[in-house]
Amino acid sequence: AQSVTQLDSHVSVSEGTPVLLRCNYSSSYSPSLFWYVQHPNKGLQLLLKYTSAATLVKGINGFEAEFKKSETSFHLTKPSAHMSDAAEYFCVVISGGYNKLIFGAGTRLAVHP
Amino acid sequence: DTGVSQDPRHKITKRGQNVTFRCDPISEHNRLYWYRQTLGQGPEFLTYFQNEAQLEKSRLLSDRFSAERPKGSFSTLEIQRTEQGDSAMYLCASSGREFGNYGYTFGSGTRLTVV
Repeated sequence: AQSVTQLDSHVSVSEGTPVLLRCNYSSSYSPSLFWYVQHPNKGLQLLLKYTSAATLVKGINGFEAEFKKSETSFHLTKPSAHMSDAAEYFCVVISGGYNKLIFGAGTRLAVHP
Repeated sequence: DTGVSQDPRHKITKRGQNVTFRCDPISEHNRLYWYRQTLGQGPEFLTYFQNEAQLEKSRLLSDRFSAERPKGSFSTLEIQRTEQGDSAMYLCASSGREFGNYGYTFGSGTRLTVV
């Protein structure tokens, strides 16, 4: 079965510094991976997706993620954090014949002035 | 159609009462998913519909839970004899036929509080 593990439950950065949110996956075949963001009292929003094309995936709001098969990782990065990036971030893998999404436990990103 | 709509946004109910939530997916999406998200956790899959057929149910979906999608349009999720452990955010997502795009759209959810 496919699964993802988010290695940090909380990450705190200063505004303008880089962001790194770590995710490892487990899959018996080439996975389809996503990062979603959830702002307080808002719905889940897709940041980016990897579907076996380019290993470096660019998403919205300056985020990107790199698929590394040798490390079974799909870490999310952003060169410079903005206050509006403070939110919960979920690493997600597609599983099963009906393409259901399997979510990690989430990483709460705090951005300080 | 601007997205996936869920109603109500919030529901407070007494333990033992029945509750029903509604999800209106994007009109052209034939796939519909229900998820449950408890505090501090990621959403967990509950059930999946393709058109009106319920094709997969999670073990999380006890016999107190029932979901329907009549005519393959809106969907309802009913919880009978609610328990405090049912308190959570219930999310609905829909997706179109084009798997390659994996265009899932989530609703804002229904937050259930069982007192």
